[in-house]
Amino acid sequence: EDQVTQSPEALRLQEGESSSLNCSYTVSGLRGLFWYRQDPGKGPEFLFTLYSAGEEKEKERLKATLTKKESFLHITAPKPEDSATYLCAVFLTGGGNKLTFGTGTQLKVEL
Amino acid sequence: EPEVTQTPSHQVTQMGQEVILRCVPISNHLYFYWYRQILGQKVEFLVSFYNNEISEKSEIFDDQFSVERPDGSNFTLKIRSTKLEDSAMYFCASSEQGASGNQPQHFGDGTRLSIL
Repeated sequence: EDQVTQSPEALRLQEGESSSLNCSYTVSGLRGLFWYRQDPGKGPEFLFTLYSAGEEKEKERLKATLTKKESFLHITAPKPEDSATYLCAVFLTGGGNKLTFGTGTQLKVEL
Repeated sequence: EPEVTQTPSHQVTQMGQEVILRCVPISNHLYFYWYRQILGQKVEFLVSFYNNEISEKSEIFDDQFSVERPDGSNFTLKIRSTKLEDSAMYFCASSEQGASGNQPQHFGDGTRLSIL
């Protein structure tokens, strides 16, 4: 069965304390992996698309990387405004146009 | 920046009643989707829509559900004879292309549906 697992479920960081979030997948075929940010009461906001192992994307304090089995979202020197739930989602080979989501990592950055 | 808009933001309905959730996708997008998120759970795919017809649906999307694009801008999800377990946040999304183009799906802020 295709699965997308995110860890940790929750993470508390001090402002400036860098860390990484993990998205591991056991899927029959991966066509693309997406990272989204979700604020409370809001919809997922698109951050990055990754297509192939070795690919990296960056935006401000965030950097996403992809291997054959997992993706990491690295957060460098986070600020309180980075607090949100970060979602990983995949397009599967033969999966049509649907995104399969992980359960997310709830990040809280404190002063 | 263009965005997906959804109305209403919160809908409270008696069990057994019908509800219609409304969405205005991004104007140049061709693919439209509905997802739902039960409190504390994953975002789950319901249905995708392209060229005025359903292109894919999940097991959740049974005869109780239907979608429609009544005009050039709106995309609706109808839930007939609502049940308590239909209570969830419902998200509309749109994309320029389907998965073959690996284009991201852009989401609205959702409609919180509460069934009493």
